[in-house]
Amino acid sequence: DQQVKQNSPSLSVQEGRISILNCDYTNSMFDYFLWYKKYPAEGPTFLISISSIKDKNEDGRFTVFLNKSAKHLSLHIVPSQPGDSAVYFCAASSHSGAGSYQLTFGKGTKLSVIP
Amino acid sequence: GAGVSQSPSNKVTEKGKDVELRCDPISGHTALYWYRQSLGQGLEFLIYFQGNSAPDKSGLPSDRFSAERTGGSVSTLTIQRTQQEDSAVYLCASSTQGSSYEQYFGPGTRLTVT
Repeated sequence: DQQVKQNSPSLSVQEGRISILNCDYTNSMFDYFLWYKKYPAEGPTFLISISSIKDKNEDGRFTVFLNKSAKHLSLHIVPSQPGDSAVYFCAASSHSGAGSYQLTFGKGTKLSVIP
Repeated sequence: GAGVSQSPSNKVTEKGKDVELRCDPISGHTALYWYRQSLGQGLEFLIYFQGNSAPDKSGLPSDRFSAERTGGSVSTLTIQRTQQEDSAVYLCASSTQGSSYEQYFGPGTRLTVT
């Protein structure tokens, strides 16, 4: 049972255009969402996050939108740059319950930004 | 400062052998996590250490997997009697207690069981 889903395994975007990466979740207990970026042979690096009390968080070229009623979040990158080419993982966690802050990850979306 | 380091970076082992994977977290980070990523899959949570509390082992796939964290710092993940399905990249992450949602990952250990 996959609780965090990234239904697009890959995405190609022209340099300078907007990249939109989507993520859906099923567990209504999730209250914090993160995006990680991963280059080959490296560990994931934290990119941006959003709490469930917000619907938008912006950091430079990166904006994350959260639609709680639809259990959907998206990452917008604008303008896209060739250095953004990487695998992007959506992750979610729950701060309630046992207290473990384990992250539940999607399978990732490989973004290719074409010069 | 130094990030999370893991060793070895690559490990090839024969089916049935035991392996040990090491993680050095960021200095001062009290929380440490192990994940694994199998081919084409997302990261799968394995185990979580927080300070001196009992670890959360809920993600360990079988009793062949164990982990320890000595002195609240370095952690070792041990896989006994390895199987081919254990082949994956094993990732370690650490975080401060105050910002535990933002985990900092090491480069991972790629384990191949032949």
